[in-house]
Amino acid sequence: QSVLTQAPSVSAAPGQKVTISCSGSSSNIGNNYVSWYQQLPGTAPKLLIYDNNKRPSGIPDRFSGSKSGTSATLGITGLQTGDEADYYCGTWDSSLSAVVFGGGTKLTVL
Amino acid sequence: QVQLQESGPGLVKPSETLSLICGVSGYSISSGYYWGWIRQPPGKGLEWIASIYQSGNTYYKPSLKSRVTISVDTSKNQFSLKLSSVTAADTAVYYCARGSGSLNWFDPWGQGTLVIVSS
Repeated sequence: QSVLTQAPSVSAAPGQKVTISCSGSSSNIGNNYVSWYQQLPGTAPKLLIYDNNKRPSGIPDRFSGSKSGTSATLGITGLQTGDEADYYCGTWDSSLSAVVFGGGTKLTVL
Repeated sequence: QVQLQESGPGLVKPSETLSLICGVSGYSISSGYYWGWIRQPPGKGLEWIASIYQSGNTYYKPSLKSRVTISVDTSKNQFSLKLSSVTAADTAVYYCARGSGSLNWFDPWGQGTLVIVSS
């Protein structure tokens, strides 16, 4: 049981837009920055978004992040088959004094 | 650029201690950032284990704290993980990664190493 809640799966057609949500509480998302990771099959996770909405160098602007209250959202526009992956949210939990991750959302590009 | 590489035994017997090392290149651990370990059981999600700052300040996942030790060797520019009394539930791909000062993000990650706990 993950501290952060994500839908197990989401799907959309190529070229479309998809959003992936991450729900938490005041001790984690509500008062700390959120990050998002993309894990392509058989590879290590890769940082996509940090500090709620910032993109590391090299991450295309098709990927965006936002936060409202105790929830965060990853948006992906112009979906490509290469975007098929597992996506995880993560943050610090001030009550647990621990890093917490969501359970992951599997994106299928139909 | 910064690169991390995990190394250690791929097979550990139940009740023994799992030991992994993460070698860092392209960046000096002494210069800052947290350094951490995250694992992923087969077919499951990410689980943070522990993180350490170059000064030695550490954070551990509460449920694993009694079995985990994380340490840093700045002279070798590497950090390590020890997990004692392992069981089959500790079978996972273990990743090392660099963490932000507030531990809100990790980047980059090592390629990961699969550790199987089995007799």
